[in-house]
Amino acid sequence: EDQVTQSPEALRLQEGESSSLNCSYTVSGLRGLFWYRQDPGKGPEFLFTLYSAGEEKEKERLKATLTKKESFLHITAPKPEDSATYLCAVQAFSSGTYKYIFGTGTRLKVLA
Amino acid sequence: NAGVTQTPKFQVLKTGQSMTLQCAQDMNHEYMSWYRQDPGMGLRLIHYSVGAGITDQGEVPNGYNVSRSTTEDFPLRLLSAAPSQTSVYFCASRPVNTGELFFGEGSRLTVL
Repeated sequence: EDQVTQSPEALRLQEGESSSLNCSYTVSGLRGLFWYRQDPGKGPEFLFTLYSAGEEKEKERLKATLTKKESFLHITAPKPEDSATYLCAVQAFSSGTYKYIFGTGTRLKVLA
Repeated sequence: NAGVTQTPKFQVLKTGQSMTLQCAQDMNHEYMSWYRQDPGMGLRLIHYSVGAGITDQGEVPNGYNVSRSTTEDFPLRLLSAAPSQTSVYFCASRPVNTGELFFGEGSRLTVL
């Protein structure tokens, strides 16, 4: 069964304390892996797309990496404004169509 | 640039009532979709459309109807609301040849 699992469920960091969020997946026909940021009361906002193992993308304090079984979202020297829920999703080809499978997210809180 | 616009933001219904959640996008995206987001669960696909006049079921379609008469609009109809449909609903769109989804800000629905 296609599945996406994110860990940890919640993470509290001090400002400047770097860490990583994990997204592990088991899907067939992977087309892409996506990271989104979701603020409370808002819709998810696109961050990165990764297509193949070994690929890396960076944006400010965030860096996303991809292996054949998981992806990491590394947060370097986070600031309070990085507090949000981070969602991982994979787009896979199944039963003749592309579908998205979302993880349940990691709630990140960065303390000043 | 408005992006994806959803209305209403909040709605309270009684069991058995019907209503329509509106979604409009101004990016000329062929693909539009509706998701529901519940605590502890990933975003789940309700219905999607790859163009005007074409709709299909997602993972959790029961109790919902959609239509797509124009590229811009993709309304979601609840036929006879049930408490199990209490959720936050997100409309999302994308160009047909990319994977990045653009989300609306969500519609929070409570069914009593």
